[in-house]
Amino acid sequence: EAEVAQSPRYKITEKSQAVAFWCDPISGHATLYWYRQILGQGPELLVQFQDESVVDDSQLPKDRFSAERLKGVDSTLKIQPAELGDSAMYLCASSSRTGEISGANVLTFGAGSRLTVL
Amino acid sequence: AQKVTQAQTEISVVEKEDVTLDCVYETRDTTYYLFWYKQPPSGELVFLIRRNSFDEQNEISGRYSWNFQKSTSSFNFTITASQVVDSAVYFCALRQTGANNLFFGTGTRLTVIP
Repeated sequence: EAEVAQSPRYKITEKSQAVAFWCDPISGHATLYWYRQILGQGPELLVQFQDESVVDDSQLPKDRFSAERLKGVDSTLKIQPAELGDSAMYLCASSSRTGEISGANVLTFGAGSRLTVL
Repeated sequence: AQKVTQAQTEISVVEKEDVTLDCVYETRDTTYYLFWYKQPPSGELVFLIRRNSFDEQNEISGRYSWNFQKSTSSFNFTITASQVVDSAVYFCALRQTGANNLFFGTGTRLTVIP
């Protein structure tokens, strides 16, 4: 069964360091999402890509976070410098275009990258 | 504005008991989609069901069933004859038509005790 691949699964870093997460969506999925899930809360959207273009990054803290999807396939989310409050699970998801306009499209999530900032 | 409330933070049941997870939502839109996802300890969110706001038919899939009531803005999820493998965090989510964001509730942690 096709899946969304993410790495690393776990990352421990010290504050002020740089950290990067990688996501490879399901083949053929044009839309890619990065969500952040703080312990005990639901996931919150950070950024959405349609192919290589950013569709929504309104919730991305742009002073320290950046995301790219240069060739419209895999994506990287970077944090520099990391802060204590960035400790969370970073989830990547992808979906096909089908049902996107209506809101019916189903997101398939990866296993996530758990970040701990010390 | 949209909001999803899962008032039950944690639920524990003994294996084979039935359990209902509540979800109440708020939206100004007349057209929207509701979702349930399961997050086992491994971390990935697993899609369970999607429901269109115009379709209020209840749905059953094996031991799972969903009750959508537009009049009370609720989309509750029932697991019949619970099993240990059902232990997970369950999220209800809402997306308004044309919106990018899938808006999640805070989740309900279900523990099934053998």
